[in-house]
Amino acid sequence: DIQMTQSPSSLSASVGDGITITCRASQSITRYLNWYQQKPGKVPKLLIYATSSLQSGVPSRFSGSGSGTDFTLTISSLQPEDFATYYCQQSYSTPLTFGGGTKVEIK
Amino acid sequence: QIQLVQSGAEVKKPGASVKVSCKASGYTFTSYGISWVRQAPGQGLEWMGWINGYNGHTDYAPKLQGRLTMTTDTSTTTAYMELRSLRSDDTAVYYCARWSDCSSTTCYDYWGQGTLVTVSS
Repeated sequence: DIQMTQSPSSLSASVGDGITITCRASQSITRYLNWYQQKPGKVPKLLIYATSSLQSGVPSRFSGSGSGTDFTLTISSLQPEDFATYYCQQSYSTPLTFGGGTKVEIK
Repeated sequence: QIQLVQSGAEVKKPGASVKVSCKASGYTFTSYGISWVRQAPGQGLEWMGWINGYNGHTDYAPKLQGRLTMTTDTSTTTAYMELRSLRSDDTAVYYCARWSDCSSTTCYDYWGQGTLVTVSS
């Protein structure tokens, strides 16, 4: 199985800050990396697929980059609705594993 | 609009089985797969497997192989997930999600609302 490691596991930031979340795969997954956002008690929501493609309706302050084993999710200017947990997921091979999550909290 | 509507919460005893349904609407069911993902209380997301909506082909996570069965009923556009020999660590919210082709990769663009399965004696 491909292991996905996210860092940090949590972070505190203020509205308007820019943040970056990192996801590392245990082997190359080329660009087969997706990002999901989950708010407490809610269903996960697809943000970015194939490393950098923004899902329809997702604000442009979200962006993704990377290739091979190292990937990042960047939020350019945090908004109140962005405080949530973010998960990366590799779609290179089954089992399609998720990272452990990064909880973004309000400072 | 595209919807995945899951069956209600379940409480089961250790050793029992549970079967959760996921009714799809708003798209051609046989053109997509359905995946199941679970989330234990306060924990992250765990991929359980997927089923091809066209031919019923399945692919399960190795740790659940032998206890897990995914099926579909194309006449009712419903997917099912059955987990047997339940243990306390199977307590989780179980989600179905549409397995979609996103720029030549797989992504989950629509999700069910989740079904809480509690395993307790």
